[in-house]
Amino acid sequence: ETGVTQTPRHLVMGMTNKKSLKCEQHLGHNAMYWYKQSAKKPLELMFVYSLEERVENNSVPSRFSPECPNSSHLFLHLHTLQPEDSALYLCASSQSSSGTGGGELFFGEGSRLTVL
Amino acid sequence: LAKTTQPISMDSYEGQEVNITCSHNNIATNDYITWYQQFPSQGPRFIIQGYKTKVTNEVASLFIPADRKSSTLSLPRVSLSDTAVYYCLVGGNAGKSTFGDGTTLTVKP
Repeated sequence: ETGVTQTPRHLVMGMTNKKSLKCEQHLGHNAMYWYKQSAKKPLELMFVYSLEERVENNSVPSRFSPECPNSSHLFLHLHTLQPEDSALYLCASSQSSSGTGGGELFFGEGSRLTVL
Repeated sequence: LAKTTQPISMDSYEGQEVNITCSHNNIATNDYITWYQQFPSQGPRFIIQGYKTKVTNEVASLFIPADRKSSTLSLPRVSLSDTAVYYCLVGGNAGKSTFGDGTTLTVKP
């Protein structure tokens, strides 16, 4: 139990569907992240939110739409996805996304997405 | 962001000590070195973090030479359950670190 909870754990969707991934952190952190991990590839940072404001978007296609209504919740809205978007989507949180002093990322268990 | 280089894979046997080295030649003054462990279909988990010299916790040790251009994660007496991918990250804070390809450690009986 890392204090970061993701739902659903598994999701199968067609290319025309609209679905959402949810992440909730119970750690009182100020920063939340979405990562994508495709098969046999390193984690790719998709979005960074700090105090509910998006601070980084690593050129992610618009079919992925993040939402951070408060510092504890993070959503990833999915629409008209492609089969190559099938991957493990990981949510993480940390005390801060800026400054120095190191710090630790706390990850959820991930949402396994399959696009048919 | 500092780029890291790790061996792609390593094999070991139960009860042995495993040392995984990471190169980060362009590490910045404010950067920390952090190691994560990831099991299949799970999120990475923090193992250890350090800035210089040696750091030890209940699961691992981290050795950092004076020039900080490399670091070595040491896992004492590994077991089968230590089979995982190990990532070395370098950055000033958690949000400024990039995951590389990682090292796949396979522990054999």
